Amino acid sequence: QKEVEQDPGPLSVPEGAIVSLNCTYSNSAFQYFMWYRQYSRKGPELLMYTYSSGNKEDGRFTAQVDKSSKYISLFIRDSQPSDSATYLCAMNTGFQKLVFGTGTRLLVSP
Amino acid sequence: NAGVTQTPKFRILKIGQSMTLQCTQDMNHNYMYWYRQDPGMGLKLIYYSVGAGITDKGEVPNGYNVSRSTTEDFPLRLELAAPSQTSVYFCASSGTLNTEAFFGQGTRLTVV
Repeated sequence: QKEVEQDPGPLSVPEGAIVSLNCTYSNSAFQYFMWYRQYSRKGPELLMYTYSSGNKEDGRFTAQVDKSSKYISLFIRDSQPSDSATYLCAMNTGFQKLVFGTGTRLLVSP
Repeated sequence: NAGVTQTPKFRILKIGQSMTLQCTQDMNHNYMYWYRQDPGMGLKLIYYSVGAGITDKGEVPNGYNVSRSTTEDFPLRLELAAPSQTSVYFCASSGTLNTEAFFGQGTRLTVV
């Protein structure tokens, strides 16, 4: 079993839709959770960073962590074609290296 | 604001050739990483370094070598290139283990 599981997609939605991207994990010691966005032929860039459980909002993006279920989510409101990218979740305990999910490809059509 | 700079952006190698992928960061980060990314496989850690003079293996180190003589530079060496090393390589750095990792733009390597 992988430490971090993420559906590869692609996930196709129309412009304006609410998008939900998810990861599950097995290591209960994970405390730091991140979402990276990667455009085609570019390096990943940090989108959201959360510590422990709860929600964090930044503009159209909301990151949610449920440590009891070992489940994290990224919600994108009013999705735009420019949101089309691969979204990678990443997490660690704070004492080891980041563990990445395989990424979910999102396609937002106009 | 350069961040993490990788060179070259693209390279084609013949089987058995060797090359060095360069990575430089200007953020004074202690931690640096090399990943490879294959389609549908996510990021796999090749090697990492926690400071100048200290390196360690990641998940997939075979066929690669690294060195860290300065805080800024973390080159990745491929000896005897093989088709299985065809991939996109990303260098990254972070201030600590639990803070944001900044990535370079990648090196797209093809071994033929």
